[in-house]
Amino acid sequence: GAVVSQHPSWVICKSGTSVKIECRSLDFQATTMFWYRQFPKQSLMLMATSNEGSKATYEQGVEKDKFLINHASLTLSTLTVTSAHPEDSSFYICSASLTGLSSPLHFGNGTRLTVT
Amino acid sequence: TQLLEQSPQFLSIQEGENLTVYCNSSSVFSSLQWYRQEPGEGPVLLVTVVTGGEVKKLKRLTFQFGDARKDSSLHITAAQPGDTGLYLCAGARSTDKLIFGTGTRLQVFP
Repeated sequence: GAVVSQHPSWVICKSGTSVKIECRSLDFQATTMFWYRQFPKQSLMLMATSNEGSKATYEQGVEKDKFLINHASLTLSTLTVTSAHPEDSSFYICSASLTGLSSPLHFGNGTRLTVT
Repeated sequence: TQLLEQSPQFLSIQEGENLTVYCNSSSVFSSLQWYRQEPGEGPVLLVTVVTGGEVKKLKRLTFQFGDARKDSSLHITAAQPGDTGLYLCAGARSTDKLIFGTGTRLQVFP
């Protein structure tokens, strides 16, 4: 079946540095990828919707300059947390679909980010 | 503002018991999905319901979509320790966004 791969699965970085998280669709071309953030014991909060070849659409309250999203190809979207701070520590999860929500959504296994 | 409220938030039961998780909203959804998530992993899709009043069964799990497509329920019969996890409902109001519910953490003890 379809697989979405996220890398890295966990990362520890120092405050002020930037971290890039990759989300790849391994056996299908994803026109749309979604990025979610999940705090411990809480649900997933949608951060942004990424469409290949166009600018990402950010949810209200999500800083686009802090969470840079690039969807340069049909199999890869990246989320870069710039100038990370401890409060950015969270579990970040991507999902991908062939054609938005009209086709099944496949989730990556998430990236645990810890900012010290 | 969370559009989808799940109840209960936490549920701790013994193996063999039955349980129901509710997912409620004031908004109408074109479809609703249920996921289960294990710690440190992404959510795994269990089912998608599309039609108001629709009922779907997946072994011991029964999913129902409300007639008005604003709410849904998940019923588990004879729960097993392997059912332990975070259950999430997620609603789609259009073809471009999926909103997750507040989540229900289930613990089944042997």
